[in-house]
Parts: sequence; C-alpha cells; structure tokens
Amino acid sequence: QTVVTQEPSFSVSPGGTVTLTCALSSGSVSTSYYPSWYQQTPGQAPRTLIYNTNTRSSGVPDRFSGSILGNKAALTITGAQADDESDYYCVLYVGSGLWVFGGGTRLTVL
Amino acid sequence: QVQLVESGGGVVQPGESLRLSCTASGFIFSTQPMYWVRQAPGKGLEWVAYLRKDGSNKYYADSVKGRFTISRDNSKDTLYLQMNSLTTEDTAVYYCAKDRWYSFEYWGQGTLVTVSS
Repeated sequence: QTVVTQEPSFSVSPGGTVTLTCALSSGSVSTSYYPSWYQQTPGQAPRTLIYNTNTRSSGVPDRFSGSILGNKAALTITGAQADDESDYYCVLYVGSGLWVFGGGTRLTVL
Repeated sequence: QVQLVESGGGVVQPGESLRLSCTASGFIFSTQPMYWVRQAPGKGLEWVAYLRKDGSNKYYADSVKGRFTISRDNSKDTLYLQMNSLTTEDTAVYYCAKDRWYSFEYWGQGTLVTVSS
C-alpha cells in the first residue's frame, strides 16, 4: 500500500520562507506523479494552489511555488503572511487510477 | 466562473444507502473528468472516486470499492455518487472536484454525510 508522507506541522515567521515536502513510501516522487498542493482552513473547502508539480492555479500569488526537491515534491511559501496559517495537503497520482493524499501539514505563522 | 454544488448529504443508519449529486456550471462539463473526495471529521482528505468525461473509466479507493458507484449525466451537468452499505467510517464531508492534470482543480463546498445508529 502506497503511503504519502508530509510533515505534521511546521512554523514560519511572518515574512519568512518555508518549504513543505511530500514523500512517497515506495521510492522517489517525480513529475510523473503529477504532484499537486491544496490549502485548507477550518470549515472551508480546499483551495488548489499548485498542480502538475509547479503550475499555479488561477489567482494563486507567486509566493507559492511547487517543485521537486531531491526525491520529494515540495511547496515553498516565500514572504509568509498571517493568512497563510492553514493546513496544506499534497496528493500524488500513483498510477492505475489511484490518487493518494498526504496526511497534511499544519502551518503556523508566528 | 466554475461552480460545483454538492447535495444529497444527511444522516443515515449503518447499512443504508445515499446518493450524492454535484451540479456543475461555468465550464463544459462533458469534456472534464471528475472526482469525489471526502474528509472525515477532524481528519485529512481522502480521494474516493474518479470518472472519465464520457463515463467509460471509473476508479475507486479500496475503502469504497464494491460499495460506491460514481456516475454522471452530461445532459444535466451532474455528477453522482451512489453510496451503499454505509458504515460509520463513511461519515465525512464529501466534495466533488473537477480534474486538471490529474489534480483537483476546482472544489465544491461539500455535503456532510453522517452514518450513525
């Protein structure tokens, strides 16, 4: 069974830069997994930030960027703001018609 | 603008069935694959099902395979999720989402399904 792992929590100072990662239990993440990233605040539907590894969704500011770092997918937030405090989820398409979400990272801005 | 509106959630007892609907607007529904994703209370997101634009290919998470059926009516711009043999583990907010590059580009606001005796 494929497991996707994210950091459970992370902190960043206002104005700082943070990189969240998304790892695969059975090997390296590549663009072939079409990694995507979502932001969710309590009680709200998820908001798509990044799809296809590094393409920003419509209306997403350019301080959010996606990449492959080593063997993981990564979401980098530069110039963190207070309203970036949210849960962040990655998802990978692992093939054969299966998508797997990571457990999510709770980002604190303080 | 793209809009996805889910409906059909509610409270049911274990073993019962429920059908969710997702009405789409703002894009050509018949050209887009669609998904269902769920989120149990206080938990993370879980992909549930995928349906190709013409309904020809369907994929399911192991947790719902054999119990849930995804379908669509392109003449009504509507996606469905038929859920049978529900258990307490199926209690969640269910979201429909539109595909873009194997990801969930746009999301509805969700509909809550509660399975409880």
